[in-house]
Amino acid sequence: KAGVTQTPRYLIKTRGQQVTLSCSPISGHRSVSWYQQTPGQGLQFLFEYFSETQRNKGNFPGRFSGRQFSNSRSEMNVSTLELGDSALYLCASSSPGLYGYTFGSGTRLTVV
Amino acid sequence: AQSVSQHNHHVILSEAASLELGCNYSYGGTVNLFWYVQYPGQHLQLLLKYFSGDPLVKGIKGFEAEFIKSKFSFNLRKPSVQWSDTAEYFCAVNAPGDSWGKFQFGAGTQVVVTP
Repeated sequence: KAGVTQTPRYLIKTRGQQVTLSCSPISGHRSVSWYQQTPGQGLQFLFEYFSETQRNKGNFPGRFSGRQFSNSRSEMNVSTLELGDSALYLCASSSPGLYGYTFGSGTRLTVV
Repeated sequence: AQSVSQHNHHVILSEAASLELGCNYSYGGTVNLFWYVQYPGQHLQLLLKYFSGDPLVKGIKGFEAEFIKSKFSFNLRKPSVQWSDTAEYFCAVNAPGDSWGKFQFGAGTQVVVTP
């Protein structure tokens, strides 16, 4: 059974640009959450989606947005990138009743 | 502010030693508790979880955790560690009223097991 797939694995962007990250959940999983991981702030919650609806949003500026498609795949977008957005972005998926989330390997974003 | 605290940032121990990692949370009410592990170069993996019932929870790879409600704690233990347990360990809480996919993570504890 394939795990949570995040693409791309690595990304280098320039300040001011925008970026889109993709997450394909485990087949059958309809819930997707996103987290930002940095050495200074640790793991911080970004969004949660279930059946194309955003169920929860973390304390991030409006430059961070996301969506989920009908096939449960999810994307997150960061506009007007800042140096502080450099981080590992993690996606996790689950299914009702599993009571636990499976994480992907993440997308390492570097903003220069 | 409500939070999740992990007592140690770095732990170094020898193979066969016992491991205990502390985790405290500050949320009132019913919480769901998790421990995740991140091995070098790998993704976060679920070690164990607690929702209700027996406060002593057994997970994968010989790990267990004890939920003590009166102390707001969920400490992780392993009686005898191996070199392969070298990893970063994260405590996570699903707080009251939060949706299933929203976790508050602790800062993590880097564990190094020496041969």
